[in-house]
Amino acid sequence: EVQLVESGGGLVKPGGSLRLSCAASGFTFSDYTIHWVRQAPGKGLEWVSSITGNSAYIYYADSVKGRFTISRDNAKNSLYLQMNSLRAEDTAVYYCARDWVAWGQGTLVTVSS
Amino acid sequence: FILTQPHSVSESPGKTVTISCTRSSGSIANNYVQWYQQRPGSTPSTVIYEDNQRPSGVSDRFSGSIDSSSNSASLTISGLKTEDEADYYCQSYDGTNWVFGGGTKLTVL
Repeated sequence: EVQLVESGGGLVKPGGSLRLSCAASGFTFSDYTIHWVRQAPGKGLEWVSSITGNSAYIYYADSVKGRFTISRDNAKNSLYLQMNSLRAEDTAVYYCARDWVAWGQGTLVTVSS
Repeated sequence: FILTQPHSVSESPGKTVTISCTRSSGSIANNYVQWYQQRPGSTPSTVIYEDNQRPSGVSDRFSGSIDSSSNSASLTISGLKTEDEADYYCQSYDGTNWVFGGGTKLTVL
């Protein structure tokens, strides 16, 4: 069974940093592009970033470009999202997803003073 | 481009409802469309992928289609059940980037 489990969310002050992780199991992790998607409280879904299986290609939404960095460690079957210069509008549940096949349960990031 | 969905729809149990997803520019047929169901407090789950394919375990009451004349995708749910009450999101691709519709709240009353 394909499984994705996010961790690392929490409360952080504006301007602060946070690193999210996504642990994958049930498939050959290195074969797949993985994505981060977020959902602000009471709002819709927003794509954040994607990384191909060998990390050769990386893409970001304009809203996070220059502040967020996606990476992966295929040896550990793990995906990461380093979030810097956080803003109140980054407050959201962050999901990792393997295309339409599977989404994690999400981890909540709250940016507030 | 943007994907536009109705903010909300409502229908009675047993009836059929269709949710639209209109692409603002470029052809809807150029990129696959997925549909996600999100019940309150839950993770999104896929009900349709690649325009009209149903994942294993999804009821055949759910169907998807695209219409090039209106440049839109549609999710149709037949034989509505109260458990279908949820938010539904369409999703497609702008090159390699994902694009989501704003979501449609389905009320079954």
